[in-house]
Amino acid sequence: SQKIEQNSEALNIQEGKTATLTCNYTNYSPAYLQWYRQDPGRGPVFLLLIRENEKEKRKERLKVTFDTTLKQSLFHITASQPADSATYLCALFVNTGKLIFGQGTTLQVKP
Amino acid sequence: GAVVSQHPSRVICKSGTSVKIECRSLDFQATTMFWYRQFPKQSLMLMATSNEGSKATYEQGVEKDKFLINHASLTLSTLTVTSAHPEDSSFYICSASQTAAQETQYFGPGTRLLVL
Repeated sequence: SQKIEQNSEALNIQEGKTATLTCNYTNYSPAYLQWYRQDPGRGPVFLLLIRENEKEKRKERLKVTFDTTLKQSLFHITASQPADSATYLCALFVNTGKLIFGQGTTLQVKP
Repeated sequence: GAVVSQHPSRVICKSGTSVKIECRSLDFQATTMFWYRQFPKQSLMLMATSNEGSKATYEQGVEKDKFLINHASLTLSTLTVTSAHPEDSSFYICSASQTAAQETQYFGPGTRLLVL
């Protein structure tokens, strides 16, 4: 069956450290993979898109990797800040033109 | 740019009534709009995809007669939850794409529906 898995347990880290979130998928062949941030009671906000032929993408303190062999994407936030605390969703863009979302991982950055 | 709004942000209604949620793209024309539902601590689940001027395409398991979608213009889509029941209580989120490739979707802030 097709699955997208993100760690359902909250990730707690200290301010200034690097946060690493994982997104694994099975039985999908996504053209793109996207990461979103979602704050409580709000809609998702687009962060980064990485294509199947790209290994790594960066944007300011954010870095995303995409390994189509492992069927895994890693999302890194360097020099994390309390304001980075939120739920982060990965989403696969499949060839039907749909975004398929993982359940998200909640990040808590402690000062 | 690329702002999507939803109205209302919260709604409480009695069981058996109908509720309409509006989704607007404020500064761009949306080729396609999507409606999602999200239960607490769960993923966003796509309910339907709509293109302006045509019938919406519903995902498997979503009742089209219960969740009426109208996409009357390139900047407005509405979702009407008909004869709402407590199990319809959820967070409804729309998104809009400005290109046919639908590569990037811009999400609205969501509507919290509570059916008593």
